[in-house]
Amino acid sequence: GIQVEQSPPDLILQEGANSTLRCNFSDSVNNLQWFHQNPWGQLINLFYIPSGTKQNGRLSATTVATERYSLLYISSSQTTDSGVYFCAVGEDSNYQLIWGAGTKLIIKP
Amino acid sequence: DADVTQTPRNRITKTGKRIMLECSQTKGHDRMYWYRQDPGLGLRLIYYSFDVKDINKGEISDGYSVSRQAQAKFSLSLESAIPNQTALYFCATSAGQGVNTQYFGPGTRLTVL
Repeated sequence: GIQVEQSPPDLILQEGANSTLRCNFSDSVNNLQWFHQNPWGQLINLFYIPSGTKQNGRLSATTVATERYSLLYISSSQTTDSGVYFCAVGEDSNYQLIWGAGTKLIIKP
Repeated sequence: DADVTQTPRNRITKTGKRIMLECSQTKGHDRMYWYRQDPGLGLRLIYYSFDVKDINKGEISDGYSVSRQAQAKFSLSLESAIPNQTALYFCATSAGQGVNTQYFGPGTRLTVL
């Protein structure tokens, strides 16, 4: 099956810093989503981005499907950005999402 | 009100007990999913359902069963709970055709002693 690897596993930054999170996947996918899990456990969908680039405020994401990776950019980090960021991929044909282990981000004030 | 709700939010039970976790949604989505999350790991799919009559096993269905009582309700049962089923359980929904963005409930923290 598809393997998903996220890096780095942990990231500690000062408020105001920028960061780049990476997701590598082992096979072609038609579905790629980025999620944020806040410190209280709630999962929020950030982007549906099987290819191309999207931006939403301070967050943006780029997926290069031909090279099997996706990047999540966070600019001007705030303490509320802390939590775990997950990448999940899948083939629409079987409707299952395969999840990476996540990147734990801590933003210090 | 939340679009996807889960009950209970927390549950402590003993080995061998039958447990049911419930999920309801007001998003009008056809597809519903049950995942479990273990510490330090991503989510793993237990079961998913495309509509009331279509239920499918996910990656880790052993020891679990589900019931899709209506479009808006999807329940997960542990027939005889065991300690390694201690985890955080999430329900999710998606619209189906086209963009398959998934929306998650708040999670149920289950502890099996």
